[in-house]
Amino acid sequence: EPEVTQTPSHQVTQMGQEVILRCVPISNHLYFYWYRQILGQKVEFLVSFYNNEISEKSEIFDDQFSVERPDGSNFTLKIRSTKLEDSAMYFCASRRTRDRYYGYTFGSGTRLTVV
Amino acid sequence: QKEVEQNSGPLSVPEGAIASLNCTYSDRGSQSFFWYRQYSGKSPELIMSIYSNGDKEDGRFTAQLNKASQYVSLLIRDSQPSDSATYLCAVRGGNEKLTFGTGTRLTIIP
Repeated sequence: EPEVTQTPSHQVTQMGQEVILRCVPISNHLYFYWYRQILGQKVEFLVSFYNNEISEKSEIFDDQFSVERPDGSNFTLKIRSTKLEDSAMYFCASRRTRDRYYGYTFGSGTRLTVV
Repeated sequence: QKEVEQNSGPLSVPEGAIASLNCTYSDRGSQSFFWYRQYSGKSPELIMSIYSNGDKEDGRFTAQLNKASQYVSLLIRDSQPSDSATYLCAVRGGNEKLTFGTGTRLTIIP
């Protein structure tokens, strides 16, 4: 079964440093997302991306965050200057169709620890 | 603020019994509803989706939707120890994002 692949699985970074989280969505999927889950809390939407541009973003996704699809396969989330409160699991997800009844496939996640 | 509410549990069910998980949502414009299973430290895994009132069955799982009551439920028949996980209810309105509940932790007792 096709998978969404995320790297690294765990990243530790110092506060104020930039991090890039990487995702390879399923190859024929067109819609891409980032979600995060702070330990013990709910999964929260960050951003959706389609046709090489952001289609929707949450209040969490401020100027410190950016997304990019640099080539035909990778989808990245960059945090420019990490804060302690950015520590969370970050999940990439993708979806093949705009059909709103079609669920997302989530990647295995990157655990980001900011120290 | 559009909310999705779930009983956090833990919900303990004997092996072989039916587990019943419930979810309510606040946005009447919500159009599609999903149940995800999440094992500790892992990513959410889609197990059911539903968008019409009534029941939808897939193997041991049945999702139930009542839009008038803004209520979604998941029934797991013949519960197995491997069903022990946190079950996340997620709701989508007219836009792209999923709004998740906090999840219900389910434990199947052998």
